[in-house]
Amino acid sequence: QQQVKQSPQSLIVQKGGISIINCAYENTAFDYFPWYQQFPGKGPALLIAIRPDVSEKKEGRFTISFNKSAKQFSLHIMDSQPGDSATYFCAGNSGNTPLVFGKGTRLSVIA
Amino acid sequence: EPEVTQTPSHQVTQMGQEVILRCVPISNHLYFYWYRQILGQKVEFLVSFYNNEISEKSEIFDDQFSVERPDGSNFTLKIRSTKLEDSAMYFCASRGHLEAFFGQGTRLTVV
Repeated sequence: QQQVKQSPQSLIVQKGGISIINCAYENTAFDYFPWYQQFPGKGPALLIAIRPDVSEKKEGRFTISFNKSAKQFSLHIMDSQPGDSATYFCAGNSGNTPLVFGKGTRLSVIA
Repeated sequence: EPEVTQTPSHQVTQMGQEVILRCVPISNHLYFYWYRQILGQKVEFLVSFYNNEISEKSEIFDDQFSVERPDGSNFTLKIRSTKLEDSAMYFCASRGHLEAFFGQGTRLTVV
């Protein structure tokens, strides 16, 4: 499995601000890029995902931007809320291969 | 909404003992996975299972680990002789087409 590099490791954002988390992947065969949200003591929950045939996908306050040539993708959380405080993991895979996860970003949204 | 169910939620075991972690995947899913997350760290792939056999495994999944689907619903991970370093959260995931859904995890503590 090749790596998925995620940054930053931690992020503090004011309520109402935009949270941005970045990921870069190595394996050019990857064709599916999900983001997972994890609260303490819980399992990762699928938040939003993108395939490389589009450059952006938006679901409510969550947007994935995808740059295939740079092998990078990012999660934007608009109007960040304290309830968004969690750890976010990006991941990638191809076909039926297992997901390869980034190391996670701990987001804290403060009032 | 269908979900992946894991039992027990917490297991404490003595070093050298065998443990079995249990999972009930989403019923119409065909791909099953076990992942591990050491406290505060990334989610690491252990093994994938398809068509009643292991389809892929990581270097972590050595001879002390085994998986089984003893009936049409349960999917188990057995650790034969637990070590202190096996202490972690263990997550089961199942996948239908693209999206992988995770259970709430079993916290394994080896003492």
